[in-house]
Amino acid sequence: KAGVTQTPRYLIKTRGQQVTLSCSPISGHRSVSWYQQTPGQGLQFLFEYFSETQRNKGNFPGRFSGRQFSNSRSEMNVSTLELGDSALYLCASSSGGPLETQYFGPGTRLLVL
Amino acid sequence: AQSVTQPDIHITVSEGASLELRCNYSYGATPYLFWYVQSPGQGLQLLLKYFSGDTLVQGIKGFEAEFKRSQSSFNLRKPSVHWSDAAEYFCAVGAPGGSYIPTFGRGTSLIVHP
Repeated sequence: KAGVTQTPRYLIKTRGQQVTLSCSPISGHRSVSWYQQTPGQGLQFLFEYFSETQRNKGNFPGRFSGRQFSNSRSEMNVSTLELGDSALYLCASSSGGPLETQYFGPGTRLLVL
Repeated sequence: AQSVTQPDIHITVSEGASLELRCNYSYGATPYLFWYVQSPGQGLQLLLKYFSGDTLVQGIKGFEAEFKRSQSSFNLRKPSVHWSDAAEYFCAVGAPGGSYIPTFGRGTSLIVHP
């Protein structure tokens, strides 16, 4: 079974631009979560989608948004990029229950100049 | 609010030596507890998890962790470290009941000397 895939793996943007990251979960998984990892703040939960609905949301500004499609693939969008948005963005998928293991993708490394 | 503390930023051990990585949590009841490992350039991989029951939890790659309610700790152990264990280790806590939103510790970087 293929693992979680994220595209692109690396991305360079400039301040003020917007960016869209994509995540394809493991086949059959209905939950997709997004995390931001930075040296300063560590690993922080962004949001979780389950069956096309946002089920949980972390403490991030509205510039960060996401969506999930009927095939469970998910995208996250960051508008009006700031230098502090430079980070590794990780996606994780699971079958959706609170006790289910999350499987992480390799991440998308975003650099904002 | 829940929180996680990993007191050691870096730990250095020799190959073949035993390992213990510390994790302390703050939560009003018994939380869900997790240990993840992240190798350079990779996503996170779950090593083990604790929800309830036996307080000694066995995981993958020969790791185990022990939940100690009285100490609010969930330390990760391995009896003999291999060079391939060099990585970043994260402890995480989640609130039971309802959807799981994890709070991660800042991580402990494990360095293994030959």
